[in-house]
Amino acid sequence: NAGVTQTPKFQVLKTGQSMTLQCAQDMNHNSMYWYRQDPGMGLRLIYYSASEGTTDKGEVPNGYNVSRLNKREFSLRLESAAPSQTSVYFCASSEGLNIQYFGAGTRLSVL
Amino acid sequence: EDQVTQSPEALRLQEGESSSLNCSYTVSGLRGLFWYRQDPGKGPEFLFTLYSAGEEKEKERLKATLTKKESFLHITAPKPEDSATYLCAVQRSGYSTLTFGKGTMLLVSP
Repeated sequence: NAGVTQTPKFQVLKTGQSMTLQCAQDMNHNSMYWYRQDPGMGLRLIYYSASEGTTDKGEVPNGYNVSRLNKREFSLRLESAAPSQTSVYFCASSEGLNIQYFGAGTRLSVL
Repeated sequence: EDQVTQSPEALRLQEGESSSLNCSYTVSGLRGLFWYRQDPGKGPEFLFTLYSAGEEKEKERLKATLTKKESFLHITAPKPEDSATYLCAVQRSGYSTLTFGKGTMLLVSP
């Protein structure tokens, strides 16, 4: 049982490049989330999807877009990466209001 | 706006030296308070959820308690393997999203 799987694990981008972070869960959860974690800032919510077909902005959505591809998959896209987007990105899923389960993270560096 | 403040930012203990981590919060209608553990290079791992003041939950050497303004994570006779960052988060009634504190980094020395 894999839980929440994130790809890639590491990525280096140049300023202005685009990329998509992938997330998939195998727990049949309705809700999925994208967070970023920066030193001294804690985990901050970027976007979330309460159910298939819906997405909503979190605390820090600027510079990002998301797609809830189906119930299992929730992707995060950086259209034009900036150094300020250097961070560790975590995907999580939950069954409604219950416990959120996290993936192992994607470590992104934007030069 | 929901706010979560964790203290101390870092804590160093000797093996067997018990202590407590604090999580104070401000939220409009608390549904639940969550504790997670995060090891370096890994994602947060769920520990406890507390729903009402006075509630306590235990797991091995950890015990979490909740009041109307704060939660404590008590660590009894810690071992080096308890070294990790402990994260606290609050969930507002009717919402699935969490607001996290910045965490407490715990180091337990043998």
